[in-house]
Amino acid sequence: EAGVAQSPRYKIIEKRQSVAFWCNPISGHATLYWYQQILGQGPKLLIQFQNNGVVDDSQLPKDRFSAERLKGVDSTLKIQPAKLEDSAVYLCASSADRAGNSPLHFGNGTRLTVT
Amino acid sequence: AQSVTQLGSHVSVSEGALVLLRCNYSSSVPPYLFWYVQYPNQGLQLLLKYTSAATLVKGINGFEAEFKKSETSFHLTKPSAHMSDAAEYFCAVKVNTGFQKLVFGTGTRLLVSP
Repeated sequence: EAGVAQSPRYKIIEKRQSVAFWCNPISGHATLYWYQQILGQGPKLLIQFQNNGVVDDSQLPKDRFSAERLKGVDSTLKIQPAKLEDSAVYLCASSADRAGNSPLHFGNGTRLTVT
Repeated sequence: AQSVTQLGSHVSVSEGALVLLRCNYSSSVPPYLFWYVQYPNQGLQLLLKYTSAATLVKGINGFEAEFKKSETSFHLTKPSAHMSDAAEYFCAVKVNTGFQKLVFGTGTRLLVSP
């Protein structure tokens, strides 16, 4: 099966600019996650979707970050305006069920550098 | 709150030596624990998971982990390191909020020298 696809792989922007990341999960996977991985740290969950509904966005900085999953398939994560501390790898993952009985499948991530 | 702590941000071993990566958990309920591996410029890949069926869990690439409740540990081991094992390893715990949510440790980078 095709894996989780993410684009772009790399992005460099200046602070205060906006940026968007795209994720296409594995076909049929209902649950989609966006994680932020800052250098030297473990991934931190930003937002979790079940189909096209948000089930957890408690750690999403909502003043600048937004995400959507229209039609319950692809998802986009946007940052506007970006700050230096947003430099990180943004990982998208998907799983077949919400209960945790199937593993998370991760994409290769988008590396964001904010200058 | 459920969490995991990984001891040692870097571990260096020689090829053929034992690999031991440490993870301790904090949980008020029986935890579901995971080990993931991340190769450079790639996403995370599941190595193994503990779901209370057996305390010794075998994973891919010759890795295994043992759940020890008395020590609140879930250390990852491999009898003989290979150069291809060089990567970052993350321990994670599933937080039960009705939906699966993984909380990751800070990671341990494994360096393998010839």
